Amino acid sequence: EDKVVQSPLSLVVHEGDTVTLNCSYEVTNFRSLLWYKQEKKAPTFLFMLTSSGIEKKSGRLSSILDKKELFSILNITATQTGDSAVYLCAVAPGEGGSNYKLTFGKGTLLTVNP
Amino acid sequence: DTGVSQDPRHKITKRGQNVTFRCDPISEHNRLYWYRQTLGQGPEFLTYFQNEAQLEKSRLLSDRFSAERPKGSFSTLEIQRTEQGDSAMYLCASSSGTRSSVAQYFGPGTRLLVL
Repeated sequence: EDKVVQSPLSLVVHEGDTVTLNCSYEVTNFRSLLWYKQEKKAPTFLFMLTSSGIEKKSGRLSSILDKKELFSILNITATQTGDSAVYLCAVAPGEGGSNYKLTFGKGTLLTVNP
Repeated sequence: DTGVSQDPRHKITKRGQNVTFRCDPISEHNRLYWYRQTLGQGPEFLTYFQNEAQLEKSRLLSDRFSAERPKGSFSTLEIQRTEQGDSAMYLCASSSGTRSSVAQYFGPGTRLLVL
């Protein structure tokens, strides 16, 4: 069964700090890894990574995938209180059929204090 | 707003009652997914539709659960004879289904509380 493990499970930082969130996975047939941000509602899509070593960036957020070591990191620089959320990592299976169900980790709860 | 919508946003019911939730995906998306999320956990896959065909169901989906997508547009998820363990957030997502992207876009969810 596919497995996604995120660490740490929770993290408290001060505004302006830089944080690194980790995601490791075990899947039988990997296609992509996705990061979502979840505030008190539905997950919001951040990044999708398919190839190793190519960094995706969006403002202060960036992410990279290592398919050899089976992990990804999400970096947030110069954190703001609005970054406080649960960050979810998910993996999408390869084309063994017509489904693309996502397997999620438990998430990392990030709290940014002013 | 052209995102995924879900209705209702909240539902409180008594044990044993039936409930039905609705999801309207992004209009051009042909794939639709249902997930369930409980406190402190990531979303767990329940079922998946491509157009009107239900192509996969998780073993989490007991025979009290049924989902439909009759015209390949909106979908409904029904839970019969609800139990307290059914209390959760039920999330719907959709995707374009193209080979180049598996990104799924989520709706706001329906929070179910079974008393």
